[in-house]
Amino acid sequence: DTGVSQNPRHKITKRGQNVTFRCDPISEHNRLYWYRQTLGQGPEFLTYFQNEAQLEKSRLLSDRFSAERPKGSFSTLEIQRTEQGDSAMYLCASSYSGTGPYTGELFFGEGSRLTVL
Amino acid sequence: AQKVTQAQTEISVVEKEDVTLDCVYETRDTTYYLFWYKQPPSGELVFLIRRNSFDEQNEISGRYSWNFQKSTSSFNFTITASQVVDSAVYFCALSASGETSGSRLTFGEGTQLTVNP
Repeated sequence: DTGVSQNPRHKITKRGQNVTFRCDPISEHNRLYWYRQTLGQGPEFLTYFQNEAQLEKSRLLSDRFSAERPKGSFSTLEIQRTEQGDSAMYLCASSYSGTGPYTGELFFGEGSRLTVL
Repeated sequence: AQKVTQAQTEISVVEKEDVTLDCVYETRDTTYYLFWYKQPPSGELVFLIRRNSFDEQNEISGRYSWNFQKSTSSFNFTITASQVVDSAVYFCALSASGETSGSRLTFGEGTQLTVNP
């Protein structure tokens, strides 16, 4: 399977615990994005990387959230001291940005669902 | 700021009926991109189409068609002869000119389409 892979698919944790999600993008894609989706809502942008550089962060990404893409391949999203309001689906997407025409197509993974008790 | 509005929260039709999903957007940019994504129960968002603001030609792809009208800031999506497999949540999204690489997609809240046999 050469699509975007996310792990774990489901995570249940107690309030105050730290959690980490991993995203493996499509191998030739240089851009990687994190979105958050709550029930009944559309995805909301959190942050994105071009290669290993984190180029943009949303105001939604509080100090308790940190994302990394150390080698420009996989990425991790860590949430520290989780709160019940962090319960959501965390979506990762990737795309290729190069010299070719802009396509705008993001390839999404199936998401990591977080439940904070 | 950008905003996407999908006024229809849920639509239910009987198989073989035609159905139109509405999307209205707001942006101050003169160059922007509009998208439709499909989210089946598995959760993975699937790209359907992208249009740029300079191309108002309608597009047809099989049973799917899209009607882009800048005058009304609308980008509506029609499924002809709907099928049960079309049941999903459909999202309209916008990327403005400052983000031509698709770094930040603004999604609508989605329309849950249920096609009954």
